[in-house]
Amino acid sequence: RKEVEQDPGPFNVPEGATVAFNCTYSNSASQSFFWYRQDCRKEPKLLMSVYSSGNEDGRFTAQLNRASQYISLLIRDSKLSDSATYLCVVNNAGGYNKLIFGAGTRLAVHP
Amino acid sequence: SAVISQKPSRDICQRGTSLTIQCQVDSQVTMMFWYRQQPGQSLTLIATANQGSEATYESGFVIDKFPISRPNLTFSTLTVSNMSPEDSSIYLCSVVGGGLTEQFFGPGTRLTVL
Repeated sequence: RKEVEQDPGPFNVPEGATVAFNCTYSNSASQSFFWYRQDCRKEPKLLMSVYSSGNEDGRFTAQLNRASQYISLLIRDSKLSDSATYLCVVNNAGGYNKLIFGAGTRLAVHP
Repeated sequence: SAVISQKPSRDICQRGTSLTIQCQVDSQVTMMFWYRQQPGQSLTLIATANQGSEATYESGFVIDKFPISRPNLTFSTLTVSNMSPEDSSIYLCSVVGGGLTEQFFGPGTRLTVL
């Protein structure tokens, strides 16, 4: 079983749609959680950290369910510029080092 | 944020040869890492580059195949030794620490082994 599992997609949605990505992790001792975004042929960049109470950043909302070992990312009012691969990332050591990446979920937003 | 550069940005190499990838950061950082991203897959951590001591390798990666140097707090190299086509991948360095609140990635080195 992979440590971090994601639906690979692709998710093809029209502009303005709401889309949700899910992720599960296998290590119950995982301490930190993140969503990274990776554009085609570019390096990953941090989109947002995920906190136990859930957190929102503009059109993006992240949720964490430690009991189910489940992380989600909700994107509202999708833009063309949201098209990318979204990587679910966990850290078993705490902090920002030794990140474990999911395989990513591809999102394509069309006009 | 941190500005990270990698050299070369891409290379095409013959099997059996070795390639050294350089990673330069514009500020002193505590931790530097090397990742591999194989075609169509996500990132896998190769090792943590330790300043002044041997790198710490993850399961499945060994020093003879991926020797790493880190002479100071802003620079590291990764060598891919005795290359085979299976080593074709993107290699990325990343940094954290020195006041940074997230892990930043370099632009990557795209390696093709024929």
